[in-house]
Amino acid sequence: DAGVIQSPRHEVTEMGQEVTLRCKPISGHNSLFWYRQTMMRGLELLIYFNNNVPIDDSGMPEDRFSAKMPNASFSTLKIQPSEPRDSAVYFCASRPGRTSYNEQFFGPGTRLTVL
Amino acid sequence: GDSVTQMEGPVTLSEEAFLTINCTYTATGYPSLFWYVQYPGEGLQLLLKATKADDKGSNKGFEATYRKETTSFHLEKGSVQVSDSAVYFCALALSGSQGNLIFGKGTKLSVKP
Repeated sequence: DAGVIQSPRHEVTEMGQEVTLRCKPISGHNSLFWYRQTMMRGLELLIYFNNNVPIDDSGMPEDRFSAKMPNASFSTLKIQPSEPRDSAVYFCASRPGRTSYNEQFFGPGTRLTVL
Repeated sequence: GDSVTQMEGPVTLSEEAFLTINCTYTATGYPSLFWYVQYPGEGLQLLLKATKADDKGSNKGFEATYRKETTSFHLEKGSVQVSDSAVYFCALALSGSQGNLIFGKGTKLSVKP
C-alpha cells in the first residue's frame, strides 16, 4: 500500500501567486482531512470530507483558501492569492470509515514557502 | 468544550531515562484516546490508543492507561532511545462522532546519547 500521497513535497512561490496542493488518499478510505502545521499555531484542522462531501470547513482561514474532493481518490487545497503568512507544512490524512475513533493515516506533507 | 491538554515541551532526556508525557482531557460521554507521534520531516502516525476506561494501549515500549477518574492518558516509556526523539500528540475522539480527532498542542521530545 502506497499510503497517502501528497504533491508537491516542497513548493516555493511568490506572494500573490496561486498555489494548489494535491492529495491522493488510501484506496477505500471514506474520510479525508487537510491540516496545517506551523511553529506558532501547531497543528490546525482546515477542513474534512466524508464520502467526498465537505463536513466541516470552519478551520479554513479565509476565502483565499478552498478545498475540493471531486472523487474518492483525489483532493486539492488551493490558496489564491497566497501570502507569506500561509507558509507552513500542509498535511493530508485519510481514514477508513466515518467513525472518529478509527486511525487517521497522514501523508508526508507539503512544505509551502511564500516569499 | 471538548479539549486535550498536554504538557508543554520541549522535554530533553538522556538515553535510557524514564519518560512521562502528561495528557488530560475534557469531553462529554466516553471518548477514545490516542497518542500520535511525528518524527522529523514526516507526518503523524498512530502510536497507541485506548477505547474505554482502564484500557492500556501499548506499542514500541510505550504505554498509556485510560484513567476516567482523573481524565488522563499519560504516555510512559521505561527506557527511551535516541530514535524516540519526535513530537508526541495526545488526541481524543468523541463517542459516536463521525468527526475529527481533537489534538493537543504536541510535546517535543529530544533524547541525547
